[in-house]
Amino acid sequence: DAGVTQSPTHLIKTRGQQVTLRCSPKSGHDTVSWYQQALGQGPQFIFQYYEEEERQRGNFPDRFSGHQFPNYSSELNVNALLLGDSALYLCASSLDLAGVSYNEQFFGPGTRLTVL
Amino acid sequence: AQSVTQPDIHITVSEGASLELRCNYSYGATPYLFWYVQSPGQGLQLLLKYFSGDTLVQGIKGFEAEFKRSQSSFNLRKPSVHWSDAAEYFCAVSGTYKYIFGTGTRLKVLA
Repeated sequence: DAGVTQSPTHLIKTRGQQVTLRCSPKSGHDTVSWYQQALGQGPQFIFQYYEEEERQRGNFPDRFSGHQFPNYSSELNVNALLLGDSALYLCASSLDLAGVSYNEQFFGPGTRLTVL
Repeated sequence: AQSVTQPDIHITVSEGASLELRCNYSYGATPYLFWYVQSPGQGLQLLLKYFSGDTLVQGIKGFEAEFKRSQSSFNLRKPSVHWSDAAEYFCAVSGTYKYIFGTGTRLKVLA
């Protein structure tokens, strides 16, 4: 049973560029969440996608956008990159169960983005 | 507001000594709590989780944690630390749709 996978593993970009990160959820999961982990910090919630819609968003600017595809995989796009966007980007997947107040999230290995 | 506090940024222990990492949370409803470990350059590995029931939770690698509702705490413990336990440890609480993480505690183990 494949877990959450992310690509690429590492990425180097320059300021002002745009980047796309990809995530495939764990088999059977339908919900994808994205987190940013800056150096020396805990992961911060960016947004969550369910049924191809952004369901909830954290305190991140509109430069951060996403997409979920019919097969439940997801992309995170960041435009106009800043030096401060350098971080480990984690994807997490879960299964949305109606009537259940909590759905456990499973994390992928992350994509390390360096902005020069 | 929902939050997680890890009061200790760095902790140093000798190999073979006991360990306790502190975690305090603020959450209005029944909390679902987690401890993760992260080695340098790596992703998150789940050590243990608390949903309900027994307040003492056993995890992998010999770790355990105790949920204390009255103190809003979920401290992580290990009776005897190994050099390979050196890493960063994160406590998290599950909010609606998202996890809220603490800022982490970096563990150093002395030989």
